[in-house]
Amino acid sequence: GQNIDQPTEMTATEGAIVQINCTYQTSGFNGLFWYQQHAGEAPTFLSYNVLDGLEEKGRFSSFLSRSKGYSYLLLKELQMKDSASYLCAVRVQTGANNLFFGTGTRLTVIP
Amino acid sequence: DTGVSQDPRHKITKRGQNVTFRCDPISEHNRLYWYRQTLGQGPEFLTYFQNEAQLEKSRLLSDRFSAERPKGSFSTLEIQRTEQGDSAMYLCASSSNRGFRRETQYFGPGTRLLVL
Repeated sequence: GQNIDQPTEMTATEGAIVQINCTYQTSGFNGLFWYQQHAGEAPTFLSYNVLDGLEEKGRFSSFLSRSKGYSYLLLKELQMKDSASYLCAVRVQTGANNLFFGTGTRLTVIP
Repeated sequence: DTGVSQDPRHKITKRGQNVTFRCDPISEHNRLYWYRQTLGQGPEFLTYFQNEAQLEKSRLLSDRFSAERPKGSFSTLEIQRTEQGDSAMYLCASSSNRGFRRETQYFGPGTRLLVL
């Protein structure tokens, strides 16, 4: 089976840096995705890692360690609009290549 | 690129009624997925199409659920004899197996179903 863990809630201050961790245990790992989801809206693609290391894209960076089953999403220069849920999802090597999601981390950015 | 669209955005129905949702994927995407999301949870995979062929179904997809993608473009998800436990957000996603960011799934806005 698949098991994906991430913290339920986090709070951070506007302008600060926050790191959201994700650990996973899966069979047939084929990539890790981070999505942002505002309340009542669809998940929006943020980043994709399939090899170990850091992927940077503007204020957002994502890191993967396949040997440790660990990823994190780093958000810099936090803005109020970054308040949302952040979903960690693992793609498994099946015919569908479907995604298995964690429960999401609800981030609240405070002034 | 107009993104993935879903219709309706909201549906309220009485227990026992049938409902049908529609998803229009990104036009060049050959892969289409349906997920279900309940409050406080991440999306859960329901089923997958490659072109018009339904290639995989989750155990979550009971006999009351059926999905089609008749011409390999839009897809429909039907729930027969709805139950209160079917209340959820139904998300559609599409991806391509070619090009930049191939296999990245892009989600539609979802259909929020409430069964009374």
